[in-house]
Amino acid sequence: GAGVSQSPSNKVTEKGKDVELRCDPISGHTALYWYRQSLGQGLEFLIYFQGNSAPDKSGLPSDRFSAERTGGSVSTLTIQRTQQEDSAVYLCASSDGGIRGTGELFFGEGSRLTVL
Amino acid sequence: GNSVTQMEGPVTLSEEAFLTINCTYTATGYPSLFWYVQYPGEGLQLLLKATKADDKGSNKGFEATYRKETTSFHLEKGSVQVSDSAVYFCALGSSNTGKLIFGQGTTLQVKP
Repeated sequence: GAGVSQSPSNKVTEKGKDVELRCDPISGHTALYWYRQSLGQGLEFLIYFQGNSAPDKSGLPSDRFSAERTGGSVSTLTIQRTQQEDSAVYLCASSDGGIRGTGELFFGEGSRLTVL
Repeated sequence: GNSVTQMEGPVTLSEEAFLTINCTYTATGYPSLFWYVQYPGEGLQLLLKATKADDKGSNKGFEATYRKETTSFHLEKGSVQVSDSAVYFCALGSSNTGKLIFGQGTTLQVKP
């Protein structure tokens, strides 16, 4: 597809379970971002990948959260031992060079996570 | 650290009214500034941007001017339409870190 693709679109899980969220960025985009959007909150920055550089993990809220980007393309956000406060929409965005490039981020439609 | 503050919503206007959504920022260096929009049921998309002081970004009748002296990037539109109903996010991008930081979003509802 032409846009950023995220899966699953909806995920319901039980407290304490692990979840994986996947992001397929636009082909050729070197920058990839993960954000979290909670009800009534703005977009909370989680992690940023740029090319082969070490990712900026400064936004990850706890060590239960991790992300990787394989081959400079697909990214997976993993949340271990989920808690109810992890319930949110997780957004992925990709960009041609990020802020240092065109500056425009293209967002997927998000993965809605509900932790019971 | 860098941060963005937007006026709280929701903002409710009648069609053809004038719109202002305030955005102020705190940043070191010379950030780029953005407005993103999220229409109902759709993903976020870039509305406009400005990369240096006194630049004006514009798109779809919306405008915002990068004011370094007041650290602001207020979004304006002279005559809103029902189709402008959406959530608007102000954002700050740092070329040093590569990160894009968003405000909390402002919901706009335009009534016919």
